[in-house]
Amino acid sequence: DTGVSQNPRHKITKRGQNVTFRCDPISEHNRLYWYRQTLGQGPEFLTYFQNEAQLEKSRLLSDRFSAERPKGSFSTLEIQRTEQGDSAMYLCASSWTGANEKLFFGSGTQLSVL
Amino acid sequence: GESVGLHLPTLSVQEGDNSIINCAYSNSASDYFIWYKQESGKGPQFIIDIRSNMDKRQGQRVTVLLNKTVKHLSLQIAATQPGDSAVYFCAETHGSGNTGKLIFGQGTTLQVKP
Repeated sequence: DTGVSQNPRHKITKRGQNVTFRCDPISEHNRLYWYRQTLGQGPEFLTYFQNEAQLEKSRLLSDRFSAERPKGSFSTLEIQRTEQGDSAMYLCASSWTGANEKLFFGSGTQLSVL
Repeated sequence: GESVGLHLPTLSVQEGDNSIINCAYSNSASDYFIWYKQESGKGPQFIIDIRSNMDKRQGQRVTVLLNKTVKHLSLQIAATQPGDSAVYFCAETHGSGNTGKLIFGQGTTLQVKP
């Protein structure tokens, strides 16, 4: 068990470009969550998967954001036509249903949109 | 509305003293609460959790107290150490839908003075 892994750790992009982040959850976990965190704030829920099914999306998740978990293992989060307001830390977490909702977080991907 | 918040943005304590970090929540349906610790550049790290059918739970050097009457949660850290310096978040969820989705407060920064 190596924990939740996120890549890249840092991403700098120009406004209007597309970016994609990857999350590898803890292997036996069937739930995977994406959160966004801005400076000085707590993480905000974006979306979550149970196995390969995306079960909930936040209103924060505009149509420029898309997340996938095609085989129920790793997940990707893509942001199209990035805006400066997308600059944030994107956190991935995983859990096992029945494990008291305890989420284990990765170290995040820090996105800076110039 | 649904919100989780902390009373103080920054708490400064002397090494060796006990620390108490407070959190208020507004959703009376919340039935599970977690405290996370987040160090700079890292994702939130699980500290301790508590269900709403309990009012106290102890871990190693940490205690969580839950007062459902006033919707208040606190984290007590005994014999605070420099390594405890971080931002602390309370998070809550409620059982309806069993999504495991956590809602975070804004965080309290704990500074430990040597």
